Amino acid sequence: GNSVTQMEGPVTLSEEAFLTINCTYTATGYPSLFWYVQYPGEGLQLLLKATKADDKGSNKGFEATYRKETTSFHLEKGSVQVSDSAVYFCALSGNQFYFGTGTSLTVIP
Amino acid sequence: EAGVAQSPRYKIIEKRQSVAFWCNPISGHATLYWYQQILGQGPKLLIQFQNNGVVDDSQLPKDRFSAERLKGVDSTLKIQPAKLEDSAVYLCASSLERELFFGEGSRLTVL
Repeated sequence: GNSVTQMEGPVTLSEEAFLTINCTYTATGYPSLFWYVQYPGEGLQLLLKATKADDKGSNKGFEATYRKETTSFHLEKGSVQVSDSAVYFCALSGNQFYFGTGTSLTVIP
Repeated sequence: EAGVAQSPRYKIIEKRQSVAFWCNPISGHATLYWYQQILGQGPKLLIQFQNNGVVDDSQLPKDRFSAERLKGVDSTLKIQPAKLEDSAVYLCASSLERELFFGEGSRLTVL
């Protein structure tokens, strides 16, 4: 079946540090992969997506590459800001959407 | 473009009471979803509608939860009677071309 496993949190970084949040998946077929972000008190927002192998999704300085050989879609950002503090969810779409458990990120000044 | 609208944002009830949540998806989005998000967990699909038909309700606790989507637009999710473990955020989402758009959610606290 389809599932998503993402890195446990919480993660605390200093401003301008490098961020990696790991995400691996199991899926039948050729799913699309997503990262959603949830700021405090808000709903989930799409951060970036990739629809096929080797695609790179990017937005707001965040990037993730769809790696079929390692079944991974790790989220990276070269220099985090305080405003990036949020919960990040990895997800895939098959016959329905499957979400990871979320990784909480806190960036301190 | 207006986003997914949900109400109420917050609701506090006692166990065994009932509650209803409303969702208005983005105009033109045929697919509507209700998710339950328990604190510290990812969203869990409760029910998926395509227009006004149910596509997947396999994880909906049908003894207490019900949902409908009248005329293929607005949707209502009801819980009756509520249990303590129903305390969660109920997220509504609509989709277009395999991309989900979420509302801000309705936070339910059951005492």
